[in-house]
Amino acid sequence: LAKTTQPISMDSYEGQEVNITCSHNNIATNDYITWYQQFPSQGPRFIIQGYKTKVTNEVASLFIPADRKSSTLSLPRVSLSDTAVYYCLVGAHPYSSASKIIFGSGTRLSIRP
Amino acid sequence: GAGVSQSPSNKVTEKGKDVELRCDPISGHTALYWYRQSLGQGLEFLIYFQGNSAPDKSGLPSDRFSAERTGGSVSTLTIQRTQQEDSAVYLCASSLDPGVTEAFFGQGTRLTVV
Repeated sequence: LAKTTQPISMDSYEGQEVNITCSHNNIATNDYITWYQQFPSQGPRFIIQGYKTKVTNEVASLFIPADRKSSTLSLPRVSLSDTAVYYCLVGAHPYSSASKIIFGSGTRLSIRP
Repeated sequence: GAGVSQSPSNKVTEKGKDVELRCDPISGHTALYWYRQSLGQGLEFLIYFQGNSAPDKSGLPSDRFSAERTGGSVSTLTIQRTQQEDSAVYLCASSLDPGVTEAFFGQGTRLTVV
């Protein structure tokens, strides 16, 4: 499974756009990139998944350059409720033979008023 | 219920006792995962069940830890002779077969070994 590297922590303010970048230099051809969000005292929650270029949903956008060695989770106009730990995962290709989901250390995002 | 259910939500046990933690996955989900999360830390993978395949036990920290999944549904994580370092939140997740990445997590069981 490809190892991921992301910042340990980030701070921002309400209303700002937050970009969290994840490095995954050893990503395999069949690997997808997935981000999860975890609030205190809760289990992680799936946010977004992509393979290349850009994916957008109601929560976030995911930007993946052509070489796929990194990805950026973009949270538009954050609020205090976006304070959480964000995990970047690589692997577990959908509809391939199943593989386990491994979490890294995550990025602790703190949003201030 | 519609989500992953774990019980108990909290468990306090004495050092040396055995504990069993239960996970009810979402109906129809054949993949089931157990993780451990210590305070302020990331998720540590423990074990993974996928359908009728042999479970991936590569994350179990010692032979005091075991897990089973009966009938492809409910799973039980057993910790024998608990130690204080076993204190953590134990999280269970399930996902659709085959290999769909989105995993749905339960609220976890907070285990405290005194």
